[in-house]
Amino acid sequence: DGGITQSPKYLFRKEGQNVTLSCEQNLNHDAMYWYRQDPGQGLRLIYYSQIVNDFQKGDIAEGYSVSREKKESFPLTVTSAQKNPTAFYLCASSSTGEELGYTFGSGTRLTVV
Amino acid sequence: KQEVTQIPAALSVPEGENLVLNCSFTDSAIYNLQWFRQDPGKGLTSLLLIQSSQREQTSGRLNASLDKSSGRSTLYIAASQPGDSATYLCAVHGEVEYGNKLVFGAGTILRVKS
Repeated sequence: DGGITQSPKYLFRKEGQNVTLSCEQNLNHDAMYWYRQDPGQGLRLIYYSQIVNDFQKGDIAEGYSVSREKKESFPLTVTSAQKNPTAFYLCASSSTGEELGYTFGSGTRLTVV
Repeated sequence: KQEVTQIPAALSVPEGENLVLNCSFTDSAIYNLQWFRQDPGKGLTSLLLIQSSQREQTSGRLNASLDKSSGRSTLYIAASQPGDSATYLCAVHGEVEYGNKLVFGAGTILRVKS
């Protein structure tokens, strides 16, 4: 079955550490996205990529970095510069044709300890 | 800047009731609108996708309408069941000036009591 796989499901980060969240898709989608979700708030876009080796900042990119070396993979690194990283992180993908919708992964919950 | 608002923020109804969730957006320059369901601690599941040229979409007990000119969409749930309890999110897919991105509302938390 086609879909998006996020790992790990739960992640704990110590102060000053960088951590990387994995996102892999086998839907042959060109575009991939990272969103952050905080309690009581809507999803906010961190980074997105519409093609391999290219990506753009979203609304809250500070303290995060991404890479897009393969079509199937779009890992997100939460750096030590992100001062409030505790949140639920969701990865999504879509075809670049505007007629198709988005597919989301099951999420990674990151907690700072 | 595109903004999406969902009303009500929370809703509690008895089982069997028909209900309507509302979504409004400020800029009508959209490709499509998508309704999602999110269970606690889980990812988003797509329920319905309405293209900008369409007026409504139906799937089982769910019906979503779109009035692009007035910037409104409604999600109608017929004969609600306890299993429908979840957070429902509305998202609009903006045109080029919004970078081909989804903009989300904050969601409606639905509880269906048995």
